[in-house]
Amino acid sequence: DAKTTQPNSMESNEEEPVHLPCNHSTISGTDYIHWYRQLPSQGPEYVIHGLTSNVNNRMASLAIAEDRKSSTLILHRATLRDAAVYYCILRDVRGNQFYFGTGTSLTVIP
Amino acid sequence: DTAVSQTPKYLVTQMGNDKSIKCEQNLGHDTMYWYKQDSKKFLKIMFSYNNKELIINETVPNRFSPKSPDKAHLNLHINSLELGDSAVYFCASSQDLGVPTGNTIYFGEGSWLTVV
Repeated sequence: DAKTTQPNSMESNEEEPVHLPCNHSTISGTDYIHWYRQLPSQGPEYVIHGLTSNVNNRMASLAIAEDRKSSTLILHRATLRDAAVYYCILRDVRGNQFYFGTGTSLTVIP
Repeated sequence: DTAVSQTPKYLVTQMGNDKSIKCEQNLGHDTMYWYKQDSKKFLKIMFSYNNKELIINETVPNRFSPKSPDKAHLNLHINSLELGDSAVYFCASSQDLGVPTGNTIYFGEGSWLTVV
């Protein structure tokens, strides 16, 4: 599976936008870009996913570079409840693999 | 209704014991997984079952044996528990067949296993 690289940690002030980057330079044409987050003492939860076009949902936006070698998860207004570890994952739709990297630990400062 | 439920949530047991963690999903998914999250918070896939058939078996000691009685259940049995087995174990499920758009995976709340 293609690997992803994320910063270990980031900080944001409450109610400000947060841009969480992910590099995936070895992405293949059939890999979807998924983002999950894990709140403290909980299981990971789905945030958003996309293939080529930018995506928006009620939780976040996903901006995908034109060459697909990087993507950015955007939280439009960070809240304290958004403090979590955010994982960027590549998943080939043909396979069942779902490998997590080390993720980015987001701290939201009140 | 909890989509992916696993029991027990907390388990403290002695070395050498045998224990099981049960998992059930009510989403009608055809694929289920077990993940292990160690003290460094790294999430590692252990097993994946699709329609009761084992399709992923990562490098896991054979003391760990998954069992899928039907596609809604995937239990994890661990023999001869060791200190290093202490971790949080997450069950998960996804719908893989006939999903061309990049399916999502749903996780349970985790089972905290402590071996003493």
